[in-house]
Amino acid sequence: AQRVTQPEKLLSVFKGAPVELKCNYSYSGSPELFWYVQYSRQRLQLLLRHISRESIKGFTADLNKGETSFHLKKPFAQEEDSAMYYCALSNTGGFKTIFGAGTRLFVKA
Amino acid sequence: SAVISQKPSRDICQRGTSLTIQCQVDSQVTMMFWYRQQPGQSLTLIATANQGSEATYESGFVIDKFPISRPNLTFSTLTVSNMSPEDSSIYLCSCMSTANTEAFFGQGTRLTVV
Repeated sequence: AQRVTQPEKLLSVFKGAPVELKCNYSYSGSPELFWYVQYSRQRLQLLLRHISRESIKGFTADLNKGETSFHLKKPFAQEEDSAMYYCALSNTGGFKTIFGAGTRLFVKA
Repeated sequence: SAVISQKPSRDICQRGTSLTIQCQVDSQVTMMFWYRQQPGQSLTLIATANQGSEATYESGFVIDKFPISRPNLTFSTLTVSNMSPEDSSIYLCSCMSTANTEAFFGQGTRLTVV
C-alpha cells in the first residue's frame, strides 16, 4: 500500500539552528517524492521535488531508496520558514498524490 | 503553472442540507482532484474528477455522498450531500501539471455543519 509517514507533528527550533523534517514512504514502484508547504493564510504550494535535485529557500531533500526516506533539511532555519510542511508521493505516471500527516515547523527568534 | 479559484471560501450549513463547491482553473488540465482535510489531519483524497466520465472515488468515499461533476477541462464541482457535523472540514480542489506532476491547489472551502 502507498503510504507517507511524517513522525513529527511539531518541530520547534531556534533561528539559525539546523532543521530536519523526517519523511518515510512505502510504495511498490518508483514514486515521485515532493515536499509541499503551507504558510499561514496561504494555499498549499510545492516547495521541492526529488527529481529536480534543487535547493529552494535553502531547503534540500535527498531521496534514499534504501531507507525509503525523503527527509527535508535546512542548515540554518529562519523565522519565515515557520509553516506546515507536507511530504507527498505521486504514483507512477503522476495520476494522484498521497500526503503525509504534515509537520508544523516553528522557528523561534 | 495553474491558478485555481475555489468558492465558497467558507460556509456554515444546517445538517441534512447539501453544499456544492466550485473549482475553476485558469488553464486546461487533464487531472483534477478533490481532497478533504479534517482538523489537525492531513489531506485525504476523495476522488479524481474525470472529464467526460464518472469520478473515480477512493476507498471510504461514495458518489451518493460526494457527487462530482467535470463538464470540461477547466471546471469541476464537489457536492457534499445530506451533511452531518462529521462533514465539517476543509475541502480542497487540486489539479496536476502533466508536464511535471506538480500539484496546484485552491484556497480551500472551510465547511462547518451545525
